[in-house]
Amino acid sequence: GESVGLHLPTLSVQEGDNSIINCAYSNSASDYFIWYKQESGKGPQFIIDIRSNMDKRQGQRVTVLLNKTVKHLSLQIAATQPGDSAVYFCAEESGYSTLTFGKGTMLLVSP
Amino acid sequence: ETGVTQSPTHLIKTRGQQVTLRCSSQSGHNTVSWYQQALGQGPQFIFQYYREEENGRGNFPPRFSGLQFPNYSSELNVNALELDDSALYLCASSLTSGSLNEQYFGPGTRLTVT
Repeated sequence: GESVGLHLPTLSVQEGDNSIINCAYSNSASDYFIWYKQESGKGPQFIIDIRSNMDKRQGQRVTVLLNKTVKHLSLQIAATQPGDSAVYFCAEESGYSTLTFGKGTMLLVSP
Repeated sequence: ETGVTQSPTHLIKTRGQQVTLRCSSQSGHNTVSWYQQALGQGPQFIFQYYREEENGRGNFPPRFSGLQFPNYSSELNVNALELDDSALYLCASSLTSGSLNEQYFGPGTRLTVT
């Protein structure tokens, strides 16, 4: 498959570790954020979202934290698995029905 | 899989040429958004179509244009291709405009301009 991860920040972890991927966003007025996972050769896949009236939201094995004071998002993946290897993007709603994506982080999980 | 399909998978064009990319939205979805993803970058919003009308546009020149058909499939047209247009072009369909958490992406079309 084609690579989408050239020259991206990379996080390398061992299988079973917890992973934390960070993202800084630009617009303090942004109200809605999404984390996406993009595997090689595929389009981005929705993981979890959060609104600005929340600080934390949990899904299955994933948690998103939002710090509005410093305009920072993080995605925590518990018990990381080889299938989690992908590029992860945060995205903010930057206008009605419009998303602005961050640059992305490549997660590499070693067995 | 998301049910969103794009064609062709890969395409090579020469600078100055025109290209048309196609997207079939997921059944029941009336909104299609197009994104450009350069290598090593996040996707950039080009425009969105809702019920056959353009419903928002990103910072792309007029040579990027689109259509949405009555069955809600969509086309992206790029005229006067430039080398910098080389990218992965993604379409995403959603149930309706504004339902970003239910926006499903296709696998993309890789365009190379030489």
